[in-house]
Amino acid sequence: EVQLVESGGGLVKPGGSLRLSCAASGFTFSSHTLTWVRQAPGKGLEWVSSISGNSNYIHYSDSVKGRFTISRDNAKKSLYLEMNSLRAADAAVYYCARLVGSYSNYFDYWGLGTLVTVSS
Amino acid sequence: QSVLTQPPSMSGAPGQRVTISCTGSSSNIGTGYDVHWYQHLPGTAPKLLISGNSNRPSGVPDRFSGSKSGTSASLAISGLQAEDEADYYCQSYDSSLSGLVFGGGTKLTVL
Repeated sequence: EVQLVESGGGLVKPGGSLRLSCAASGFTFSSHTLTWVRQAPGKGLEWVSSISGNSNYIHYSDSVKGRFTISRDNAKKSLYLEMNSLRAADAAVYYCARLVGSYSNYFDYWGLGTLVTVSS
Repeated sequence: QSVLTQPPSMSGAPGQRVTISCTGSSSNIGTGYDVHWYQHLPGTAPKLLISGNSNRPSGVPDRFSGSKSGTSASLAISGLQAEDEADYYCQSYDSSLSGLVFGGGTKLTVL
């Protein structure tokens, strides 16, 4: 059974930093692209970043480019999101999701999410 | 403002059929990128409902169906049940943004 479990969320001041983690199990971790998707309070889903299985391909949304860094450790079957220069607009539930597909990618498994609150 | 446009809310009585629309543009759905649909209940993990415009993953009831035409796509739910009350999101890829995009979500209420 595929499982994705996020952790690391919490309260951080504007301008601060936070590191999210996602522990995976139930599939060949290194073979899959993984992503972070977030949902701000009262808002819809927003794709944040993706990283390929060998970390060769990394993409960010314009809203986080230059401030967030995605990475993974295939030996530990873990995905990370380093978030710097946090803003109020970054407050959201952050989901770890597995990305599949070739031409048109989609998310086939998701975690329960971890809440990030940005407030002074 | 989401790249893909969905109605913010819809409702239907048990047993009825509802159709949720997802309107895109020539840089996403209209280019030929597939549309995928997710069901999301608060406090839970989003669930893949339809992939590749019309494919149901194992375990998804055949009451759920998807279609795509031109720059739009639709999710139809027939035989509405109380447990279908949730938020529904469409998703695709946008070549102008070079990224994955979602609709704003549709909150479905079962009356």
